[in-house]
Amino acid sequence: NAGVTQTPKFQVLKTGQSMTLQCAQDMNHNSMYWYRQDPGMGLRLIYYSASEGTTDKGEVPNGYNVSRLNKREFSLRLESAAPSQTSVYFCASVSWEGSSNEQYFGPGTRLTVT
Amino acid sequence: ELKVEQNPLFLSMQEGKNYTIYCNYSTTSDRLYWYRQDPGKSLESLFVLLSNGAVKQEGRLMASLDTKARLSTLHITAAVHDLSATYFCLPDGAGNMLTFGGGTRLMVKP
Repeated sequence: NAGVTQTPKFQVLKTGQSMTLQCAQDMNHNSMYWYRQDPGMGLRLIYYSASEGTTDKGEVPNGYNVSRLNKREFSLRLESAAPSQTSVYFCASVSWEGSSNEQYFGPGTRLTVT
Repeated sequence: ELKVEQNPLFLSMQEGKNYTIYCNYSTTSDRLYWYRQDPGKSLESLFVLLSNGAVKQEGRLMASLDTKARLSTLHITAAVHDLSATYFCLPDGAGNMLTFGGGTRLMVKP
């Protein structure tokens, strides 16, 4: 199992450009999450998808859109990037079935907006 | 809205000492996670606490959950330098919305 994978690992954008961050998991998890982590800070929830076909806003959704393409994939789109979106973005997944309920994180995407 | 508060935010301690990190949260939650993050890395799962009174131990770390007090603790016993990292708690809010605490940056000095 690859676990949770994210692409790209690094990206530099100019203000106003758009891009999509990709996330995929191969653990058959129901729920997937997108977080951002600013330098020296904790993680803040951007959007999450409790199950395939549903998405909900987290704490900091402004400037982002998401798509739960299928059970495996959950993408995050920046339509018009701003310097304030410079951050490390983490995707995570969890299954609420069974007793484990462990949340697995991807390696992160480091995004710089100039 | 679920609010999560960790204390302390920064902890510098000597090797061999004991200490406790506290995680308070504002609304009902029956599940809570603890994670470790090393600089420049992703998050590593430490514990999943699934019910009131749950206690889990791994090496020098022990985590507990009191859902009635809305409090979880992460206790460090006889700290060693390798435990230096940032520790996050993550209670499960309504609708599976997982909200992180601000993190506790732990530095263990020889």
